[in-house]
Amino acid sequence: SQTIHQWPATLVQPVGSPLSLECTVEGTSNPNLYWYRQAAGRGLQLLFYSVGIGQISSEVPQNLSASRPQDRQFILSSKKLLLSDSGFYLCASPGTGGYTIYFGEGSWLTVV
Amino acid sequence: GQQLNQSPQSMFIQEGEDVSMNCTSSSIFNTWLWYKQDPGEGPVLLIALYKAGELTSNGRLTAQFGITRKDSFLNISASIPSDVGIYFCAGLKGGNQFYFGTGTSLTVIP
Repeated sequence: SQTIHQWPATLVQPVGSPLSLECTVEGTSNPNLYWYRQAAGRGLQLLFYSVGIGQISSEVPQNLSASRPQDRQFILSSKKLLLSDSGFYLCASPGTGGYTIYFGEGSWLTVV
Repeated sequence: GQQLNQSPQSMFIQEGEDVSMNCTSSSIFNTWLWYKQDPGEGPVLLIALYKAGELTSNGRLTAQFGITRKDSFLNISASIPSDVGIYFCAGLKGGNQFYFGTGTSLTVIP
């Protein structure tokens, strides 16, 4: 089965500082990757999805950006963090058939 | 993105009781998924449903894909303390877009 690694697991950053969250995926041939944000432990908000290297679609206008430098790597970034960027960030990848979706362990970001 | 209507929002039950939660949508879905999320961790897939009317079990968990393809439910029988967590439904219409419920927070009282 596939594995999705995210790091760092926990991050405390000051307002205005940059951000880089990384995600790598193994064990699936499905090329799609997703970044979600989860606030207050509830609903999942889709931030970005990518269907291949260099191909990024943004779902909501925001202070964040995403990049796909390699087939199995997806990066979430910000040049200057805002307090409202705090939350739990999840990287996700569909199973090979595309009918299920699996999540990484998550990255907790607290902006102070 | 669009979210599914999931209810109840939270549940407090005694250990040993059965639990039922559901997800509804105004749209038709081709796949329904149910996840459990423990605090500070990513959601873990519990059950996947691929066709209307399908009833699938995973241990004490049973889920069904509604006949109309617009809903799904999850039942947990004989709840135990480790069932505590947030349960999410998800639906796939086709293509690359997954839609998620807002979650049901389950508390099991020993």
